[in-house]
Amino acid sequence: SYELTQPPSVSVSPGQTARITCSADAMPKQYAFWYQQKPGQAPVLVMYKDTERPSGIPERFSGSGSGTTVTLTISGVQAEDEADYYCQSVDSGGFWVFGGGTKLTVL
Amino acid sequence: EVRLVESGGGLVKPGGSLRLSCEASGFIFSSYSMNWVRQAPGQGPEWVSSISRSGRTINYAESLKGRFFISRDNSMNSLFLEMNILRAEDTALYYCVRKDVVGATDAFDVWGPGTMVTVSS
Repeated sequence: SYELTQPPSVSVSPGQTARITCSADAMPKQYAFWYQQKPGQAPVLVMYKDTERPSGIPERFSGSGSGTTVTLTISGVQAEDEADYYCQSVDSGGFWVFGGGTKLTVL
Repeated sequence: EVRLVESGGGLVKPGGSLRLSCEASGFIFSSYSMNWVRQAPGQGPEWVSSISRSGRTINYAESLKGRFFISRDNSMNSLFLEMNILRAEDTALYYCVRKDVVGATDAFDVWGPGTMVTVSS
């Protein structure tokens, strides 16, 4: 089955850059999407089609991709960015898959 | 305001059934494909099922095929999920989610607050 692998946790100090990776275990890699989830809230889309930022998402959020890995980068991390982040993509059968999630801690 | 509101969750015994509903408002429901996504306590989201705008194309997560059934009523702006032969591992918060097939994102762009399903004896 298609899997997306994320690091369980990333920790950065305020103002630093956080990078969260998502690796697919097979080719071809489809577009990836990123969601931010804060405790007690539903996920919120923060990046779509690897590199596109939805309206309302701060410019400090950016996305990139290389091969079977995509990366969500948060530049100048703020305390409010502390959350769980999930990548999502679609497998060859057209079924949606989520990564295991990365807990971003702002020290 | 674009909104999705789920209902129908609750406590059910193993082997039981439950029907979830999702009421949409603030957008043209029939123009969007819809999904159910669940999230077990302390776990990440898991896609459950999707249904096309017309309802003619339906997909399920492989592990749920045969027990869960998705449907929609565009005249009532509503999405449904019928869940049968429920197991403890089906315990989760179930989200109704819109997929943006109209705009540019092609993403799960609107999520409801979720309805909790607990399967326990």
